[in-house]
Amino acid sequence: QAVVIQEPSLTVSPGGTVTLTCGSSAGAVTSGHFPYWFQQKPGQAPRTLISDVSSKHPWTPARFSGSLLGGKAALTLSGAQPEDEADYYCLLSYFVGRPVFGGGTKLTVL
Amino acid sequence: EVQVLESGGGLVQPGGSLRLSCAASGFPFSSYAMAWVRQAPGKGLEWLSAIYPSSDHTYYADSVKGRFTISRDNSKYTLYLQMNSLRAEDTAVYYCAKTLGVAATHPGYWGQGTLVTVSS
Repeated sequence: QAVVIQEPSLTVSPGGTVTLTCGSSAGAVTSGHFPYWFQQKPGQAPRTLISDVSSKHPWTPARFSGSLLGGKAALTLSGAQPEDEADYYCLLSYFVGRPVFGGGTKLTVL
Repeated sequence: EVQVLESGGGLVQPGGSLRLSCAASGFPFSSYAMAWVRQAPGKGLEWLSAIYPSSDHTYYADSVKGRFTISRDNSKYTLYLQMNSLRAEDTAVYYCAKTLGVAATHPGYWGQGTLVTVSS
C-alpha cells in the first residue's frame, strides 16, 4: 500500500506564510487522488478544511488555500494566526474506496 | 445544521465485540455516503470504512476487513460499525463522518468521536 508523506512538523511566524505538502510514495499526486486537508486542534475532533485539491467549506478561513505543487498536494496558509496552531492531515485516494491518511504535520505558530 | 453524534464506545475485553452508532441529522441521510475514521491515543488518523447511500457498496481498510462491518438504517438516520474480535490495537477514538457525496469515502462533516478501549 502506498504511503502518504507529510512534513512531521513546521513552524511559521505570526502573519507569515507556510506551505504544507502531501506527497505519495507511489508517484505524483494528481487531482485523481482527490486530496483533502483536515485540521485538528488539541482535544478536538478534526474538521475538513479543503476537499478535492482546492475546494473550501463555509468554515474554512480565507487564509487557507489548497493546490497541486510539484507533484504534491499543498496547503498554503497566508497570514498565520495563533489559532492556526494545530495538526494538519491530508487524505488521498489510490483506489475506489481505499483512501489513506498522511501521518500529519504539527504546525507551530511562533 | 449538519450533525453526527457517535455513541456506543466503552471498555471491552480483547476478543470481544462492540457496536458503535452514529445518529445523523440536518441533512438527507439517504443521499450521502458515510464513513468511519479512528485515532489511537497520541497517533494520527486512520480511515476505516465507508458505505454508499443504498448500502450497495461498502469499503474497508485492511486493518479491519473481516472483523468490522459497516451498515446503515436510512429510516433511522443512523450509521453503525459492528466491531468483532477486538484487539488492544483497536483502542482509539472512533469518528463518524458524513461525506460530501453519493459515491464518496472522504470525511466531510465530523462527529465528536467515541472512545473505545480494548483491555483486560
